[in-house]
Amino acid sequence: AQSVTQPDIHITVSEGASLELRCNYSYGATPYLFWYVQSPGQGLQLLLKYFSGDTLVQGIKGFEAEFKRSQSSFNLRKPSVHWSDAAEYFCAVGAGGFKTIFGAGTRLFVKA
Amino acid sequence: GAVVSQHPSWVICKSGTSVKIECRSLDFQATTMFWYRQFPKQSLMLMATSNEGSKATYEQGVEKDKFLINHASLTLSTLTVTSAHPEDSSFYICSAQNQQGANTGELFFGEGSRLTVL
Repeated sequence: AQSVTQPDIHITVSEGASLELRCNYSYGATPYLFWYVQSPGQGLQLLLKYFSGDTLVQGIKGFEAEFKRSQSSFNLRKPSVHWSDAAEYFCAVGAGGFKTIFGAGTRLFVKA
Repeated sequence: GAVVSQHPSWVICKSGTSVKIECRSLDFQATTMFWYRQFPKQSLMLMATSNEGSKATYEQGVEKDKFLINHASLTLSTLTVTSAHPEDSSFYICSAQNQQGANTGELFFGEGSRLTVL
């Protein structure tokens, strides 16, 4: 069955430190992969997406993610976190047939 | 591009009344729209999928008579919570998909609507 796993419910990093949010997926075919960010009381905003080609994709707000087929992973990274990055982050896989499967989310806390 | 607008952003109503939430794709035609419910500190729960001009497809456990969905045009879908009760209080989010998204699963989200039923 198709699924998305975000192992970390929440993560705390210091401002200026690097960040990596983990995402693993289970999908039988070549996946379409997404990372979304949700600020409190807001909808979801697309950070980046992977469809094909270069496995390292750049997104908005200085985020990047790397698709590793061998590990079924699509981890999100940022070299230097800002306080405004505190939010909920969702990894998702496009499963075809109009379906998108979301992970449970990882809440990012940024400490000064 | 690919902007989705949801209205109202928050609404408070009395128990027993009905509330309508609108979801509009502002700069593209949405072949499919989705409605989600999100409980505090949880992920999105898909409620239903709606295609323009046809009946919505509801997920298991979602009462279709309680949550009425209408997708009258390629840019507008509405969710009506009928005879709302306090347990219906939640954050409701819509998303829309264009033609490319039908193949990839890419979604564009509205800002969400916070419903509080007194």
